[in-house]
Amino acid sequence: EVVLTQSPGTLSLSPGEGATLSCRASQSVPRTRLAWYQQKPGQAPRLVIYGASSRATGIPDRFSGSGSGTDFTLTISRLEPEDFAVYFCQQFGSSPLTFGGGTKVEIK
Amino acid sequence: QVQLQESGPGLLKPSETLSLTCTVSDVSITSYYWNWIRQSPEKGLEWIGYVHHSGNTDYNPSLNSRVTMSVDTSKNQFSLKLTSVSAADTAVYYCARWGVSCSGGTCSDLHAFDIWGQGTMVTVSS
Repeated sequence: EVVLTQSPGTLSLSPGEGATLSCRASQSVPRTRLAWYQQKPGQAPRLVIYGASSRATGIPDRFSGSGSGTDFTLTISRLEPEDFAVYFCQQFGSSPLTFGGGTKVEIK
Repeated sequence: QVQLQESGPGLLKPSETLSLTCTVSDVSITSYYWNWIRQSPEKGLEWIGYVHHSGNTDYNPSLNSRVTMSVDTSKNQFSLKLTSVSAADTAVYYCARWGVSCSGGTCSDLHAFDIWGQGTMVTVSS
């Protein structure tokens, strides 16, 4: 099973600042098989990035994804109030599909 | 717009069977792969498995022996059965669509979940 480790666990930032979230895999994951989700309290996760770098429908261009192999990054260029949430990475390079433990982006 | 809605009992006793249904609106269930995912504070997000109307399934090995998924095309629904539940199965259960992107007549797998239900809390307690 591919283990995804996300860091940091919590990111305390102010609106307007940039955020860099890391997702490290225990073995190589094809770029096409890496996704990122945003989850707010009481809601289901929402797809943000698929294929490591493609934005999902309706996702603003301040969100970007990058990386390859075992290291992937989600970047939010300028945090808006609605961006404060928990972010998860997910892989399906090999079964079973797995998720990372999440990074909480909170208001400083 | 495409919507998914989970339904089923919210409280079970240990050793009982969990049965959930996901009703799919505004898209044919035959067009996609359908998944169950659960979330708990202890385990985080955990993929349970997927089902296709053709009968194709893939289950998480950690739950494989207890899981069955099926599709009812006449009702545009798919379902999850998890046997011999314990407190460790207490979680929010989500159904979700495996995304596909189509452009110019060509479709490609997103390898991600593009539509989720709102989730349903299932508690296992004696």
